[in-house]
Amino acid sequence: KQEVTQIPAALSVPEGENLVLNCSFTDSAIYNLQWFRQDPGKGLTSLLLIQSSQREQTSGRLNASLDKSSGRSTLYIAASQPGDSATYLCAARAGGTSYGKLTFGQGTILTVHP
Amino acid sequence: DAGITQSPRHKVTETGTPVTLRCHQTENHRYMYWYRQDPGHGLRLIHYSYGVKDTDKGEVSDGYSVSRSKTEDFLLTLESATSSQTSVYFCAIRASGGTYEQYFGPGTRLTVT
Repeated sequence: KQEVTQIPAALSVPEGENLVLNCSFTDSAIYNLQWFRQDPGKGLTSLLLIQSSQREQTSGRLNASLDKSSGRSTLYIAASQPGDSATYLCAARAGGTSYGKLTFGQGTILTVHP
Repeated sequence: DAGITQSPRHKVTETGTPVTLRCHQTENHRYMYWYRQDPGHGLRLIHYSYGVKDTDKGEVSDGYSVSRSKTEDFLLTLESATSSQTSVYFCAIRASGGTYEQYFGPGTRLTVT
């Protein structure tokens, strides 16, 4: 059974810092890995998706990497801003199943203070 | 937002009553999902659908049923609501194409008293 863990559970940083959020998964036979952002009381917003054959994906100040062999993914946020404050979730998508089951981590609560 | 709406957005109901939550999408996606989100458990899959009248169970399906009579609508029913089903419920779709990227609706907050 796939298990996804996110460390740290919470992170507080001053504005402008570069930061890394970690995601680890136990079963390396994944199809891809997706990072989401969730604001309080809101739904999930898809940030980045990395296919199992890729090493990294970039979108603006966000960069996500994937190392299947070690069961790890990281989300790098450059020059953090208060508007980046949210919960960040990673989800591993199972390989070999057509419905694409996602297994979620518990999330990292990020606070960026001015 | 991939054209996903959920209704109602908030609901308070009593133990033992049936409840139906609706997910509506406007882009003809084949795959639709229902998740629940709870503190300490994260997001967990309840049921999913891979086409009209084609549904299957997820990891926490006990006490829930689903129906999909039209491509655009996926209904989640709590046959007899219990306090343990107090949660935030999210609907999601799987984008067409090879990435299997999922997009989520805004959620329904359900309280069972």
